[in-house]
Amino acid sequence: DTAVSQTPKYLVTQMGNDKSIKCEQNLGHDTMYWYKQDSKKFLKIMFSYNNKELIINETVPNRFSPKSPDKAHLNLHINSLELGDSAVYFCASSLPLGETQYFGPGTRLLVL
Amino acid sequence: GENVEQHPSTLSVQEGDSAVIKCTYSDSASNYFPWYKQELGKRPQLIIDIRSNVGEKKDQRIAVTLNKTAKHFSLHITETQPEDSAVYFCAASSSQNFVFGPGTRLSVLP
Repeated sequence: DTAVSQTPKYLVTQMGNDKSIKCEQNLGHDTMYWYKQDSKKFLKIMFSYNNKELIINETVPNRFSPKSPDKAHLNLHINSLELGDSAVYFCASSLPLGETQYFGPGTRLLVL
Repeated sequence: GENVEQHPSTLSVQEGDSAVIKCTYSDSASNYFPWYKQELGKRPQLIIDIRSNVGEKKDQRIAVTLNKTAKHFSLHITETQPEDSAVYFCAASSSQNFVFGPGTRLSVLP
C-alpha cells in the first residue's frame, strides 16, 4: 500500500555508465516530479509531468531524460554518469501542480 | 519566477524551548505554503500547510503564520523535543510553480 515508491533504493556505479531510476505512485495523482538533493540538502526540482506531459524542465543536463509511460509512472534515465551526479534523487507526486507533494523514499546514487 | 528564502540555515535550541523558522517569497501569485520535515536518511514529509486566505494555523505544538502583504510566513514549534531535530523546508506554490526554500537544520539539545 506504498503511496510513492522508487527503485532502486541504492545505486553504486562507475563514471560513464547509463542508469535508470523508476517511480510509481498509487495515489491517483496527476502530477509527478523528480528532485535532486545534494550533500547540502537543497531540494532542486529537475522535471515535472502532468498527465504524461512535461510541464517543468529546469536547467538540467540533457544526459537526464525523464519518461512517463502513464500518469502513475515517471522514470529517470541518466546517460554517461559523472561524479557530480552523486546525490539522492526523490520522486514526488501531487494532485495538480501547486498542491501538496508526497515524496518517495529516495534513490541514493553514488558515482565512482 | 518564484524565489523562496529561508532563515536561519541552522538553529540549535534547548529541549523545551521554542523554535521559529522564517521564509519569504517573491511571487504574489503564490497561494499555498507547506512545510516539510526531513529526518536524517528519510524522505521530506508534510507537517503543516497554510493557504493564502488564512493568517494562522495550529496543530498541537506546531503553528504557521502568513503575512501576504509582506510575503513572509513562519513555522513555530513550541516545547521542542529531541525528535523535532531534522531539516525543515518551507515552500511557496501556485498553479504554475512549486518552489522549496533551502532548508533549516534544527537541532534540539537535551
